[in-house]
Amino acid sequence: GEDVEQSLFLSVREGDSSVINCTYTDSSSTYLYWYKQEPGAGLQLLTYIFSNMDMKQDQRLTVLLNKKDKHLSLRIADTQTGDSAIYFCASTTDKLIFGTGTRLQVFP
Amino acid sequence: DTGVSQDPRHKITKRGQNVTFRCDPISEHNRLYWYRQTLGQGPEFLTYFQNEAQLEKSRLLSDRFSAERPKGSFSTLEIQRTEQGDSAMYLCASSHSPTAEAFFGQGTRLTVV
Repeated sequence: GEDVEQSLFLSVREGDSSVINCTYTDSSSTYLYWYKQEPGAGLQLLTYIFSNMDMKQDQRLTVLLNKKDKHLSLRIADTQTGDSAIYFCASTTDKLIFGTGTRLQVFP
Repeated sequence: DTGVSQDPRHKITKRGQNVTFRCDPISEHNRLYWYRQTLGQGPEFLTYFQNEAQLEKSRLLSDRFSAERPKGSFSTLEIQRTEQGDSAMYLCASSHSPTAEAFFGQGTRLTVV
């Protein structure tokens, strides 16, 4: 079945870049998404990339897609304390399949 | 507010009771999804609808769970004979099409005591 995997934790210093990685199994995934979830809050779509692209940049966010290796990454430049949250990678064909989430902790 | 709305936001119930949750998707969104999220996990797919048709149900959805979307607008998720393992956040999402962005509601947090 479809599966999405992520590392569980990432800790970075404020001002540094964060890189969150994700691997997925379904090669027919059409879109790949990054969602952010803050404590007690709902899921917020951050950005997405279409499967025929290899990079997408959106302000401080850069998404890289290696379709051959089924590897997706999210880079957050100049990470701020407000970026502390859980980040979910999700792949989709006809429904979203989520990873377990990566908890990003930003320390001063 | 034109986002996805879920009701109630919180529900505490005794084991063995039935509960029903409601989701109002964004107007004119054809797709409606239900997910379940437990602490420390990502959202797990339960089921989805294309208009009023339920197209897929996860194996997670035991026969105690039933979902409907009778007129292709709002949806309900019912859990019969609740168990403590049903305690979770139940999330609803809607989208305009299968590959369009899915917008999530704030969820209904169920606690079974």
